[in-house]
Amino acid sequence: DTAVSQTPKYLVTQMGNDKSIKCEQNLGHDTMYWYKQDSKKFLKIMFSYNNKELIINETVPNRFSPKSPDKAHLNLHINSLELGDSAVYFCASSPSTRDSPLHFGNGTRLTVT
Amino acid sequence: GENVEQHPSTLSVQEGDSAVIKCTYSDSASNYFPWYKQELGKGPQLIIDIRSNVGEKKDQRIAVTLNKTAKHFSLHITETQPEDSAVYFCAASIRDTGRRALTFGSGTRLQVQP
Repeated sequence: DTAVSQTPKYLVTQMGNDKSIKCEQNLGHDTMYWYKQDSKKFLKIMFSYNNKELIINETVPNRFSPKSPDKAHLNLHINSLELGDSAVYFCASSPSTRDSPLHFGNGTRLTVT
Repeated sequence: GENVEQHPSTLSVQEGDSAVIKCTYSDSASNYFPWYKQELGKGPQLIIDIRSNVGEKKDQRIAVTLNKTAKHFSLHITETQPEDSAVYFCAASIRDTGRRALTFGSGTRLQVQP
């Protein structure tokens, strides 16, 4: 039933490890996003894909690599995790790249120790 | 780039009172302004949005106003209830060739006291 689902919900790992977060949407949307929410609740866009094509790539370390196998999925792989990567990562989707609302998943809380 | 400023950062009201949250944006090309509510442990959920060709929009106890000249927009919640307690975010979208991203304000934590 869930429109935008991400797994895992919690991720605790050590510095230097590599981890992935998966996202799937069943809304039939063309556009998917990754947002990062820091400890002060600030939401910042990281990436956006439209029909599997990368259209937004904000200033994000290249340790972060998004992958979209099809338009319903957008995964995020993070290499060599650092303490500063600890945050909540939200996947979202929207019907198009034009002005339309985002539908967010419930987030993945990443803690790097 | 687009900047969105949001005030206040925290807001405490008594149940039944009104709450107002204000946002300003920097880019006159912005033309879509959604508001999101984020409850603890969940993702932000759209509660209302407004486009630049409209000055005001209302949905039951929630209303949003937009002043394009002054580049500010506001969220109004009337007859607040304890379940309105959450973090609220405003956002603005830029229309650009093949590219669109919502830029969010810094959030307002609303606490409705019963």
